[in-house]
Amino acid sequence: GESVGLHLPTLSVQEGDNSIINCAYSNSASDYFIWYKQESGKGPQFIIDIRSNMDKRQGQRVTVLLNKTVKHLSLQIAATQPGDSAVYFCAENSGRGAQKLVFGQGTRLTINP
Amino acid sequence: DVKVTQSSRYLVKRTGEKVFLECVQDMDHENMFWYRQDPGLGLRLIYFSYDVKMKEKGDIPEGYSVSREKKERFSLILESASTNQTSMYLCASSYWTSQETQYFGPGTRLLVL
Repeated sequence: GESVGLHLPTLSVQEGDNSIINCAYSNSASDYFIWYKQESGKGPQFIIDIRSNMDKRQGQRVTVLLNKTVKHLSLQIAATQPGDSAVYFCAENSGRGAQKLVFGQGTRLTINP
Repeated sequence: DVKVTQSSRYLVKRTGEKVFLECVQDMDHENMFWYRQDPGLGLRLIYFSYDVKMKEKGDIPEGYSVSREKKERFSLILESASTNQTSMYLCASSYWTSQETQYFGPGTRLLVL
């Protein structure tokens, strides 16, 4: 079945470094992808999205890259700050209709001072 | 800004009780969703609604029901709470198209004793 997974469950980076969080998806029918950030005890917060007709999209300090050939999605966070500590997970619309999303398990990002 | 609110942040109930979780969104979104989030299992869709009085089962609907009498409000009902329904419950809403972000509420952490 379809699945959205993450290559690494945890990631530690030094403050100020760039972070890269990866996501693999299996459903080639997916045409919309989202990255969420979830801080402890809070609901997921939208970070950035990308449609399948794009390879790259940039936001403020974040970039999402989409490689449809290998079904891979990544989130790059530039100049990581302590406030970036959270669980990040990707989601795809997976062609399930009615805008249902399939979510990855999440990667915990820890920032070292 | 999109705002999705949930009636309670924390709830403690006893086995067998009927539990109501309420969600309200202020963006006139057609779609509303209820998820539960458990460690190691990620976000799982319980039910969603694409219009007033319309509902569709998600991946894990057993033991739950929903109600949507008004567009802005979506209620999740645990008919007879059980300990395995202890979880974080997240409500989300979105526009109706297939390439729209879901916006989440802060979550309700439910403990069933």
